[in-house]
Amino acid sequence: AQKVTQAQTEISVVEKEDVTLDCVYETRDTTYYLFWYKQPPSGELVFLIRRNSFDEQNEISGRYSWNFQKSTSSFNFTITASQVVDSAVYFCALRRDDKIIFGKGTRLHILP
Amino acid sequence: EAGVTQFPSHSVIEKGQTVTLRCDPISGHDNLYWYRRVMGKEIKFLLHFVKESKQDESGMPNNRFLAERTGGTYSTLKVQPAELEDSGVYFCASSLWGGANTEAFFGQGTRLTVV
Repeated sequence: AQKVTQAQTEISVVEKEDVTLDCVYETRDTTYYLFWYKQPPSGELVFLIRRNSFDEQNEISGRYSWNFQKSTSSFNFTITASQVVDSAVYFCALRRDDKIIFGKGTRLHILP
Repeated sequence: EAGVTQFPSHSVIEKGQTVTLRCDPISGHDNLYWYRRVMGKEIKFLLHFVKESKQDESGMPNNRFLAERTGGTYSTLKVQPAELEDSGVYFCASSLWGGANTEAFFGQGTRLTVV
């Protein structure tokens, strides 16, 4: 069975704090892809990152960083020095073939 | 370049009525997907078109849902008759290629409320 778990339903932090969104996945496949999407108040799903199962290098993009660990089946997302504009729902997802399997999402509130 | 667009953005209908959602993919994208999120749950796959053909419709919940993509351009998703449990946000996505290593571009979703 394939599954993505985002245990944090909702998180609130004060602006400029760092925050980590957790993601744990389950799959029996050896080849798969992991994604993070952001859903701002406007509603669309915005692609943030794609990582394949053979590449465990962590990635940093500006204030965003991702920590992929196959040993714990986790793909956590950290926002450094958070800003109010980071407030959104964030979805972690697993893709095998053409289907994307999403977690339930974490609603992030950045308080000014 | 226009992104994936969905119409309407919101729809409120009564139980038993019919609603048709529309998705215009990014021009040239052969692959079109429908997903939906019911309240508090995961975003779940409904079906996948490659051009005008249904590649995978394993996620369609029941026969009250009918998806079409005539001509391989825009797609419609009709719910007839709508039930209360159909309420949720319906997302459309498109991609140039199929397969797992492809970025899918999502629309802003259609929020459907059945009362």
